[in-house]
Amino acid sequence: SQELEQSPQSLIVQEGKNLTINCTSSKTLYGLYWYKQKYGEGLIFLMMLQKGGEEKSHEKITAKLDEKKQQSSLHITASQPSHAGIYLCGAGSNNDMRFGAGTRLTVKP
Amino acid sequence: KAGVTQTPRYLIKTRGQQVTLSCSPISGHRSVSWYQQTPGQGLQFLFEYFSETQRNKGNFPGRFSGRQFSNSRSEMNVSTLELGDSALYLCASSLAPGLKPQHFGDGTRLSIL
Repeated sequence: SQELEQSPQSLIVQEGKNLTINCTSSKTLYGLYWYKQKYGEGLIFLMMLQKGGEEKSHEKITAKLDEKKQQSSLHITASQPSHAGIYLCGAGSNNDMRFGAGTRLTVKP
Repeated sequence: KAGVTQTPRYLIKTRGQQVTLSCSPISGHRSVSWYQQTPGQGLQFLFEYFSETQRNKGNFPGRFSGRQFSNSRSEMNVSTLELGDSALYLCASSLAPGLKPQHFGDGTRLSIL
């Protein structure tokens, strides 16, 4: 089965700083999804990447998919306290998605 | 448009009991998937339903079961509860299998005493 490894496991940044979270797959990526979760709550869909080289942005969050490296990165520019939470990458060809363990982001004001 | 609704939000049970969790998908979404989230194992796929049929099942014991109704609402049942079943159970819906993204509910937090 497809395994997704996220790094780092946790991240503490000062407000206003940029940061990057990585997600590496053990198998070919046919689609990669990024979600954000606040503790004890559901997952909020952020972005979906389907083609190699694809890059998408939403507000200050940008995600890229490198098919050759079987990797995706999530970049946050000028982080804010509202960006705090757990970021999860997910992949799967059907609706039986596999997820990474998550990256816990703390933004210090 | 209402999101995915899961009930109840919190549940406390004791070992050996059984429990039923409910999920109402986004209007028009016909595929419902269930996931279990624990600190140790992370987010794991339980099963997926579409058109009242289970299409896919994760690696969980038979104590975990589910069903889907004609209005796409879904329930999952766990029998003979064990301490290790304590988890956040998340439901996700999408228009159809393979048509992502999946949209998640806020989950049901199940605690086993």
